[in-house]
Amino acid sequence: QQQVKQSPQSLIVQKGGISIINCAYENTAFDYFPWYQQFPGKGPALLIAIRPDVSEKKEGRFTISFNKSAKQFSLHIMDSQPGDSATYFCAAPYNQGGKLIFGQGTELSVKP
Amino acid sequence: SAVISQKPSRDICQRGTSLTIQCQVDSQVTMMFWYRQQPGQSLTLIATANQGSEATYESGFVIDKFPISRPNLTFSTLTVSNMSPEDSSIYLCSCSGGLSYEQYFGPGTRLTVT
Repeated sequence: QQQVKQSPQSLIVQKGGISIINCAYENTAFDYFPWYQQFPGKGPALLIAIRPDVSEKKEGRFTISFNKSAKQFSLHIMDSQPGDSATYFCAAPYNQGGKLIFGQGTELSVKP
Repeated sequence: SAVISQKPSRDICQRGTSLTIQCQVDSQVTMMFWYRQQPGQSLTLIATANQGSEATYESGFVIDKFPISRPNLTFSTLTVSNMSPEDSSIYLCSCSGGLSYEQYFGPGTRLTVT
């Protein structure tokens, strides 16, 4: 079964630092790679996503980098803030039916 | 984007009973999905629910245990049948427009089976 491997499992960053989370996929039905942010007790929220026509997408402090040949993509959080402390999930499509398969998640803690 | 609500937000149920979780979307959507998330774990897809057709279940999930209804383009239900403590989890519904893979999630239903 197709997998999406996410690392690290947990990450501690000082306020103002850069948080980097990586994902690797095996095969995908379509080049669409989203990142979700989940706070305790809440459902995952779509944070940012990248489509196949670009190798990088930036929205505010959040950037996705995509390396198609390596089958890898990553999330960079610039100037990390304590409010960014949450669990982050990457995902990738795994069939033509709109389904996503999720990575294992990264628990990010940003220290003041 | 879409706004999704779920009912109930949490419940404590006895072994052997069933619970039906409702998912309401604020706009018409093509596809709805049901996931299970153990505390501290990733999301596992249970099934895909398209209006007008039978739900499609992922490996390890069966209709007798998790019957799903999709009566219209804004609503779906998931029933967790004959519950055991192993069914204690967070159940999430999500939706997408069908032509894109963008999925939007509800707040989840936290189920505890005693």
